[in-house]
Amino acid sequence: AQSVTQLDSQVPVFEEAPVELRCNYSSSVSVYLFWYVQYPNQGLQLLLKYLSGSTLVKGINGFEAEFNKSQTSFHLRKPSVHISDTAEYFCAVSDQGGSEKLVFGKGTKLTVNP
Amino acid sequence: GAVVSQHPSWVICKSGTSVKIECRSLDFQATTMFWYRQFPKQSLMLMATSNEGSKATYEQGVEKDKFLINHASLTLSTLTVTSAHPEDSSFYICSASPQKYEQYFGPGTRLTVT
Repeated sequence: AQSVTQLDSQVPVFEEAPVELRCNYSSSVSVYLFWYVQYPNQGLQLLLKYLSGSTLVKGINGFEAEFNKSQTSFHLRKPSVHISDTAEYFCAVSDQGGSEKLVFGKGTKLTVNP
Repeated sequence: GAVVSQHPSWVICKSGTSVKIECRSLDFQATTMFWYRQFPKQSLMLMATSNEGSKATYEQGVEKDKFLINHASLTLSTLTVTSAHPEDSSFYICSASPQKYEQYFGPGTRLTVT
């Protein structure tokens, strides 16, 4: 079974500052990794995913994440945030065995202040 | 593209009644759809996986007779909460998958049981 830990439940930052949202996972098998964003009263939107290849993954809206197998981490970063990035961010894993089931972390609320 | 809708977005029902929630993929066909439940300040918990034309696969601890899932076509899945009780009040989210490891989420349905 897999589990996901998002270490920070809330992250406040100022506009144009860099941000890192942390995600660690636990799994006995190889996994695929995902980051989703949820804006208020909306569904989840895929930011980026790691399936294979380069461990540095670039996604939409200027976000990127790096898969670190030795540290079992998949931290999300953005060099300069905007007010519009204020949202809930979820990290998720899926085992490579084919079930496609996503196991989510508890989420990190990113608040960008002017 | 890749839009998933849910209806209704918000529903209140009396204890003991049943309520049906629809999940539609509007611009793609989904062989697999997933149903999640999200508690306040919590992560999404997978309830069941449904494949078109076959019975849904429920996660451990989810009562299949209480949460009836039907995936009648490649664009529609329904979740019926039978004999609803206040503890069933929650935010229900569906996702649709046009291919492996690619899920698109609906905006969610807020269920309140009085």
